Amino acid sequence: QLQLQESGPGLVKPSETLSLTCTVSGGSISRSSYYWGWIRQPPGKGLEWIGSIYYSGSTYYSPSLKSRLTISVDTSKNQFSLKLSSVTAADTAMYYCARPLSSGWTPFDYWGQGTLVTVSS
Amino acid sequence: EIVLTQSPGTLSLSPGERATLSCRASQSVSTSYLAWYQQKPGQAPRLLIYGASSRATGIPDRFSGSGSGTDFTLTISRLEPEDFAVYYCQQSGSSLTFGGGTKVEIK
Repeated sequence: QLQLQESGPGLVKPSETLSLTCTVSGGSISRSSYYWGWIRQPPGKGLEWIGSIYYSGSTYYSPSLKSRLTISVDTSKNQFSLKLSSVTAADTAMYYCARPLSSGWTPFDYWGQGTLVTVSS
Repeated sequence: EIVLTQSPGTLSLSPGERATLSCRASQSVSTSYLAWYQQKPGQAPRLLIYGASSRATGIPDRFSGSGSGTDFTLTISRLEPEDFAVYYCQQSGSSLTFGGGTKVEIK
């Protein structure tokens, strides 16, 4: 059974960099042609796609976050990661990692439980 | 960027009733790239429908999706108590965007 688990600091100071990692178990990132994704949800609000990474390392970012965003993959650890720089209170959200249903740009079928990141001094 | 507008914002219905949720796109979306999710408080979203009308694994047949072009619909034929939740549409035909959500609440 595929499982995804987000990890990282729950509190980040304004102007600093938010860093999260998604650890995948029950399946290999490198043996499947999926666009692994990051999605976030501010408290009480809707879902926002942050970006996705192909198993080979190709990245696809939300236009609104592209200038501050880096997503990377470490196949040796079966992990992919998110770095969002120059954060503000508007970046406070539940952050989810997810895997699509199948190869290509299919919707997300497997989700982590999410991790809440608060941006505050 | 394709903007998805969901309506209504909130739907107040009783168990057993039919729910009809709308998702309108600012540009045409291929049916292959339109999906619906359900989200309950404190939980990650759950995929219900992909390809506009195909049910994901384990999804009851009271959930159905339809539509094409810029207008898509999620229908719950008879609401069960566990169906009261927030529903999101999502497109991945051009970048990836979510709608703002429709909350289905108990009347």
